[in-house]
Amino acid sequence: NAGVTQTPKFQVLKTGQSMTLQCAQDMNHEYMSWYRQDPGMGLRLIHYSVGAGITDQGEVPNGYNVSRSTTEDFPLRLLSAAPSQTSVYFCASSYGREVARNEQFFGPGTRLTVL
Amino acid sequence: AQKITQTQPGMFVQEKEAVTLDCTYDTSDPSYGLFWYKQPSSGEMIFLIYQGSYDQQNATEGRYSLNFQKARKSANLVISASQLGDSAMYFCAMESSGTYKYIFGTGTRLKVLA
Repeated sequence: NAGVTQTPKFQVLKTGQSMTLQCAQDMNHEYMSWYRQDPGMGLRLIHYSVGAGITDQGEVPNGYNVSRSTTEDFPLRLLSAAPSQTSVYFCASSYGREVARNEQFFGPGTRLTVL
Repeated sequence: AQKITQTQPGMFVQEKEAVTLDCTYDTSDPSYGLFWYKQPSSGEMIFLIYQGSYDQQNATEGRYSLNFQKARKSANLVISASQLGDSAMYFCAMESSGTYKYIFGTGTRLKVLA
């Protein structure tokens, strides 16, 4: 199993550009989520999904869109990048509600810089 | 509102000694899960240990144990016999059952000294 994969690993954008961060998991997990990690602020939830076709907002959703057409994939879209979106982005997945110990498995992260 | 607080930005510990990393949480939900993750300098997030709110016993995973004090709303991580490889950032996290939302603390950076 590859686990949770993310592409790209690094990305530099100019203000106003758009891009999609890719995330995929091969563990048949129901739950997937996106976080951003900024210095001194821990991980903050951007969007999450509890299954294909179902998404919801987290703590910091503004400026980001998501969709989940398959169980495996959960892309994060930045429609018009801003310098405030410079961060490290993590995708994570977990089994879902049937399992009490619902720990998340994280991808390796994407380091995004917006100039 | 739900919240996780880690009050120790940085900690030092001597190799082979034990260390406790503090975590307090706030939630009004009766059912929740508490997690600790490790983030080495390489950047990946590694799951360490889980404690359910209804678990009667403190969780243990090898050298990691969780000192769970429900009435005080604390879930401190204890690392026994520290190793140089334990130097990393440690995050406490919580999920209130049914919300599907995990919240993380700001982390504690641990440095193990030889």
